[in-house]
Amino acid sequence: AQKITQTQPGMFVQEKEAVTLDCTYDTSDQSYGLFWYKQPSSGEMIFLIYQGSYDEQNATEGRYSLNFQKARKSANLVISASQLGDSAMYFCAMRENTSGTYKYIFGTGTRLKVLA
Amino acid sequence: KAGVTQTPRYLIKTRGQQVTLSCSPISGHRSVSWYQQTPGQGLQFLFEYFSETQRNKGNFPGRFSGRQFSNSRSEMNVSTLELGDSALYLCASSTGISYEQYFGPGTRLTVT
Repeated sequence: AQKITQTQPGMFVQEKEAVTLDCTYDTSDQSYGLFWYKQPSSGEMIFLIYQGSYDEQNATEGRYSLNFQKARKSANLVISASQLGDSAMYFCAMRENTSGTYKYIFGTGTRLKVLA
Repeated sequence: KAGVTQTPRYLIKTRGQQVTLSCSPISGHRSVSWYQQTPGQGLQFLFEYFSETQRNKGNFPGRFSGRQFSNSRSEMNVSTLELGDSALYLCASSTGISYEQYFGPGTRLTVT
């Protein structure tokens, strides 16, 4: 069963507008972490934002915010004031605690294109 | 602080050969994780090394192996290469305690 689901294979957004990238997850762990990464065409994965399962407030990092809805098991990424440089693949990932060690599971990604 | 480095960046091998990829983590980081990224399967976790010990392993055949040295540098080896092993191989460095992983630029392996 897919543990991280990103239902939007591709998204377009106009420059300077906000965009929401969807992510739902499935876990029976009480303690877990949710991440978003950006992967430009160069291939390198860039860490954007992290949300712990016990964090009550939504995480924010500059123009990035994570809309965490625990009961719905969703962790959507919101990018405000989109820039042309935001065009990239975006991956949602979950860290599960498996037998005392961490394991990372990634979604299939959403390709974002920012239009001038 | 220098980032994660991976060598080589590009590699072309033939079926049946073996290959060794290298990853140097951020200074002070003791954990190195390896991932395979393909268009069909996405990003899949291979294994993680922490303080020279394999701490976690994904669902890959035994042809995929790794090791970590005392300076935390890690190598991944793939033996008897198959066409399906063509992929971008990413390594990620972390302290092993905190949640953040920092990825290297990857090694793009093409098997012909």
